[in-house]
Amino acid sequence: QVQLQESGPGLVKPSETLSLTCAVSGYSISSGYSWGWIRQPPGKGLEWIANINHSGSTSYNPSLKSRVTISVDTSKNQFSLKLSSVTAADTAVYYCARCNWNYRHFDFWGQGTLVTVSS
Amino acid sequence: EIVLTQSPGTLSLSPGERATLSCRASQSVSSSYLAWYQQKPGQAPRLLIYGASSRATGIPDRFSGSGSGTDFTLTISRLEPEDFAVYYCQQYGSSPPVYTFGQGTKLEIK
Repeated sequence: QVQLQESGPGLVKPSETLSLTCAVSGYSISSGYSWGWIRQPPGKGLEWIANINHSGSTSYNPSLKSRVTISVDTSKNQFSLKLSSVTAADTAVYYCARCNWNYRHFDFWGQGTLVTVSS
Repeated sequence: EIVLTQSPGTLSLSPGERATLSCRASQSVSSSYLAWYQQKPGQAPRLLIYGASSRATGIPDRFSGSGSGTDFTLTISRLEPEDFAVYYCQQYGSSPPVYTFGQGTKLEIK
């Protein structure tokens, strides 16, 4: 069974960089698929942030692209997210997920991690 | 960029009733790239339907998806108590490569 687990600081100061890692078990990232980050502000809907595939090809939400970097470490079977210059509007539950390459949906999700932006 | 609009915002029904949730796209979407998710409080979204009409592994057959072009529907034939949750549709557009979610429909017990 594919499992994903997010990790990273739960509190980030405004203007700083949010950094999260998603550890994948039960499937080798280098075997294929695409891997993504999705966030959900408290009480609101889902917003896709970025995707990366096993070879490092990336796609970004245009509204966040200037501040986002997604990367993959196949040796550790994990992928990461960096979001710079954060504000209170970036407070959200951040999910990592596996993306089916053929049908472009997210079939396995992490439990999510709440990141609060506050001084 | 394609916008997905879900309706209604909130749907109040009783167990045993039929639920019909709508997802309308601002321009045509490939049926292959339309999915539905269920989310319960404090949980991650759960994939229900992909390719507009294919049920994900382990999803009961009371859940069905249909539609094409700009109009897609998620139908729950007979509501069970565990079906009351928020439902999201999601699409993928290749130019540019972007994933978009609808704003969600909350299905609540009447």
